Amino acid sequence: QQKVQQSPESLIVPEGGMASLNCTFSDRNSQYFWWYRQHSGEGPKALMSIFSNGDKKEGRFTAHLNKASLYVSLHIKDSQPSDSALYFCAVMYGGSGNKLIFGTGTLLSVKP
Amino acid sequence: EAAVTQSPRNKVAVTGGKVTLSCNQTNNHNNMYWYRQDTGHGLRLIHYSYGAGSTEKGDIPDGYKASRPSQENFSLILELATPSQTSVYFCASGGTGGADTQYFGPGTRLLVL
Repeated sequence: QQKVQQSPESLIVPEGGMASLNCTFSDRNSQYFWWYRQHSGEGPKALMSIFSNGDKKEGRFTAHLNKASLYVSLHIKDSQPSDSALYFCAVMYGGSGNKLIFGTGTLLSVKP
Repeated sequence: EAAVTQSPRNKVAVTGGKVTLSCNQTNNHNNMYWYRQDTGHGLRLIHYSYGAGSTEKGDIPDGYKASRPSQENFSLILELATPSQTSVYFCASGGTGGADTQYFGPGTRLLVL
């Protein structure tokens, strides 16, 4: 079955700094990828999706996908304390049902 | 944005008891999902549904049943709760297109004593 792994497990960056989160997956046929963010005590919320190789930028967030290398990443520029959260990489798998498999997450702390 | 609500938000149950977790979505999504979240495991899919009357097994269905009586409602049922089922449970809904996002509820924290 599809495996999704994230690194690092936790990350501390200073306010205004760059945070880089990594994710690898095992199925070369994967097509759809998401980054979800979960603040403490809340449900996960989709941050951004990426479906094509290359970079996708949305404000301070840039996702990068390289299907051949089985790799997707998320970069957060000018990190803010409000970015402190648990970040999940999610990959769609299976032929039907739009099922997602999630990585174990990266806990980001942005220190003022 | 899609609205997904869950009840109860917190639940304490006894071993061997029956627990029902409820989920409601108001955006007419065909697909609904139940996940559990445990430290070190991320989110794992328990059951999902394509629409009213349908339920499908996810990756970790053992010990759980699901019910989808209507488009809006999806329940997760623990017939005989065990301490290993202590976790945070999330419901999500989403469309049927491959690129459709899943929208999550706020979660139910379940403690089985």
